Amino acid sequence: EPEVTQTPSHQVTQMGQEVILRCVPISNHLYFYWYRQILGQKVEFLVSFYNNEISEKSEIFDDQFSVERPDGSNFTLKIRSTKLEDSAMYFCASRKAGYMNTEAFFGQGTRLTVV
Amino acid sequence: KQEVTQIPAALSVPEGENLVLNCSFTDSAIYNLQWFRQDPGKGLTSLLLIQSSQREQTSGRLNASLDKSSGRSTLYIAASQPGDSATYLCAGVKETSGSRLTFGEGTQLTVNP
Repeated sequence: EPEVTQTPSHQVTQMGQEVILRCVPISNHLYFYWYRQILGQKVEFLVSFYNNEISEKSEIFDDQFSVERPDGSNFTLKIRSTKLEDSAMYFCASRKAGYMNTEAFFGQGTRLTVV
Repeated sequence: KQEVTQIPAALSVPEGENLVLNCSFTDSAIYNLQWFRQDPGKGLTSLLLIQSSQREQTSGRLNASLDKSSGRSTLYIAASQPGDSATYLCAGVKETSGSRLTFGEGTQLTVNP
């Protein structure tokens, strides 16, 4: 069964460093997302991406964050200068199309620890 | 602002019991509602999607209902098993906020053998 895959599963980085989280969405999906979950808190929306551009972003997604689809399969989230409060589980998700009628499928997540 | 609330926060039941998890949302203008399962430290597994035009969906021992007028959804689990132990999350797509999912806090379910 097709699935969303994320790498790495766990990343530890020093404060101020840049990190890139990688995702391979399901191959025939067109809508891509990043969410995050700080330990013990709700899953929060960060950004959605469609047709090679950001379609929506939350107030969390500031200038320190960027997303890219560098080729036909990968979808990345870059955090330019990490802060301690960026420590969280980051989830990538994708939808086939027509969000009204389609499920969102999530990857297993990347646990980011900023020290 | 769309808020999603799940009650109870935690639930412990003996194996074999039928149970109901509740999800309520403040804004009835939702396109669809999705239920997920999350095991500790793991990703989100989609269980059921209910479109706004539907009232319920079933998958195996799971049945989810949606009542937009009252702003409520329930997830019914029949004949619970220890393997059902996990956190269950509901999330809605609001009509006026693109395709983002807004999540509840989750219900942590423990099924005791």
